[in-house]
Amino acid sequence: DAGITQSPRHKVTETGTPVTLRCHQTENHRYMYWYRQDPGHGLRLIHYSYGVKDTDKGEVSDGYSVSRSKTEDFLLTLESATSSQTSVYFCAIRWTRGTEAFFGQGTRLTVV
Amino acid sequence: QQPVQSPQAVILREGEDAVINCSSSKALYSVHWYRQKHGEAPVFLMILLKGGEQKGHEKISASFNEKKQQSSLYLTASQLSYSGTYFCGTETPNTDKLIFGTGTRLQVFP
Repeated sequence: DAGITQSPRHKVTETGTPVTLRCHQTENHRYMYWYRQDPGHGLRLIHYSYGVKDTDKGEVSDGYSVSRSKTEDFLLTLESATSSQTSVYFCAIRWTRGTEAFFGQGTRLTVV
Repeated sequence: QQPVQSPQAVILREGEDAVINCSSSKALYSVHWYRQKHGEAPVFLMILLKGGEQKGHEKISASFNEKKQQSSLYLTASQLSYSGTYFCGTETPNTDKLIFGTGTRLQVFP
């Protein structure tokens, strides 16, 4: 195991409420990523981080924000959840460019 | 922009071979391959770096054509355990992004 955990594992929330998902790692990897997985779309990059307080947008970042105040934690926030954000969210970590990524077990988020 | 994978789905009998392709519109620094079982997280298979060699892992190997920005995953003498969804991931020079394709669902039957 790469020492990566996501919380919560499952969440049901109402439209319009803020939601924060947490990715925690114990491996001191520099890079952390948030993806969403939906049928027919594969894994789509939301945001990523290349160091503490260093983050950048991915391909589907609208409606999401992230923060990384320490190496081990990468938070994904849905400011005002919508039904279109119902998805499975995966966090991934890796040492540097050109190296393998390790994935967390995923968070299933349902927005009703 | 996501790399394009083909085919979208493959159905095999045990012992048959399969090829999964991944194509990008951008110049690539590396190509990754992952397999995901139903309800689980994706798991790393191999990575091919620009200028690197073709990789292999048991009966699964891959190639990387840098000029065409394409990679292929070869599954030889498939086993039941090969079933799952395969994703290619791509990196481009001068970026830290890791972008995945839409996936290829592989089913192996006895």
